[in-house]
Amino acid sequence: EAGVAQSPRYKIIEKRQSVAFWCNPISGHATLYWYQQILGQGPKLLIQFQNNGVVDDSQLPKDRFSAERLKGVDSTLKIQPAKLEDSAVYLCASSSGGGTEAFFGQGTRLTVV
Amino acid sequence: DQQVKQNSPSLSVQEGRISILNCDYTNSMFDYFLWYKKYPAEGPTFLISISSIKDKNEDGRFTVFLNKSAKHLSLHIVPSQPGDSAVYFCAARLFFSGGYNKLIFGAGTRLAVHP
Repeated sequence: EAGVAQSPRYKIIEKRQSVAFWCNPISGHATLYWYQQILGQGPKLLIQFQNNGVVDDSQLPKDRFSAERLKGVDSTLKIQPAKLEDSAVYLCASSSGGGTEAFFGQGTRLTVV
Repeated sequence: DQQVKQNSPSLSVQEGRISILNCDYTNSMFDYFLWYKKYPAEGPTFLISISSIKDKNEDGRFTVFLNKSAKHLSLHIVPSQPGDSAVYFCAARLFFSGGYNKLIFGAGTRLAVHP
């Protein structure tokens, strides 16, 4: 079974630029999560999709972050414009409806300079 | 609001001895607790979980204990091996009536197992 795929692995941008991350979840998984992990902290949920609908985006900075899940499968997370404090690892995860655990991708390390 | 806390940022253990990683939580509505392991430059990988109605779950060298009255859980690794050196995250699950769940993570504990 293929795991959660994310790209790119690394990205360096200047502040005020825009950036986009892509995620392909495990086939058949209805739930998709985007987490932000700042160095020294645990993953923080940004947005959660159930199929292609948003069920939780309470911690997403909506003035600069946006996300969509196309046809209930792939997802993209965009930051526009980026700030220095957005430097973090962005993790995508997916889970099945009846499963307990979420499966994570390798993450995208974003550095904003 | 930190609902899941891992108060020890790091732990150093000798190979062959027991590693005990601790986690405290505040929300009594969590229905599952999970432990994830993370190596550098990789995403977290699921290790073991426990239902809130149980007090112990064992999988090989890994055992998780849950004390609901104290809102505390711990992960025991026996015997510890150098390959166990990683960051361990405690996570708790909230289940919503809409049919979806949410995982809330602690800050992690970095375990170093030395020969």
